[in-house]
Amino acid sequence: EPEVTQTPSHQVTQMGQEVILRCVPISNHLYFYWYRQILGQKVEFLVSFYNNEISEKSEIFDDQFSVERPDGSNFTLKIRSTKLEDSAMYFCASSNGTAIVTDTQYFGPGTRLTVL
Amino acid sequence: KNQVEQSPQSLIILEGKNCTLQCNYTVSPFSNLRWYKQDTGRGPVSLTIMTFSENTKSNGRYTATLDADTKQSSLHITASQLSDSASYICVVSPSRAGSYQLTFGKGTKLSVIP
Repeated sequence: EPEVTQTPSHQVTQMGQEVILRCVPISNHLYFYWYRQILGQKVEFLVSFYNNEISEKSEIFDDQFSVERPDGSNFTLKIRSTKLEDSAMYFCASSNGTAIVTDTQYFGPGTRLTVL
Repeated sequence: KNQVEQSPQSLIILEGKNCTLQCNYTVSPFSNLRWYKQDTGRGPVSLTIMTFSENTKSNGRYTATLDADTKQSSLHITASQLSDSASYICVVSPSRAGSYQLTFGKGTKLSVIP
């Protein structure tokens, strides 16, 4: 069964450094998402992406964040200058767009980002 | 502010027993409600999706109900198995043109013991 994959599984970085989290969505999906989950907290929406542009973003997704689909398969989240509070699990998700409102969003296994 | 509240926060049950998890939401207007299962350290996996016009949806041993008037949903798990141990998350999607944003609850942590 197709699945969303994410790399790396765990990323440790120093405060102020740039990180890029990578995702490979399910191949025929058209909508892509990033979510984060701070340890012990609920999952929070960051951004959705369709047709090579951001379709929606939350208040969390400020100028430090950017997303890109550099080729036909990868979907990346970049954090320009990491802060301690960026430490969280970051989940990528994708959906196929056939029934947009009730589309199932398939989540990847997550990347645990630790900012020191 | 759109909120999704779940209860109980955690639950321990014996293998083979049934249980019911609760969800209250204030998201309005509301499009659909989803239940996800999240194993520790893993991404959420979709169990059910219900639109505002649906009252119940089943997926194997999982049955979700929805009362859009009272803004309540429940997830009933029958004949629990050890592999059901996970967090169960209620997720609501608002009815807003162009928005696919999901609002998550904090989840109910279910532990099934032998």
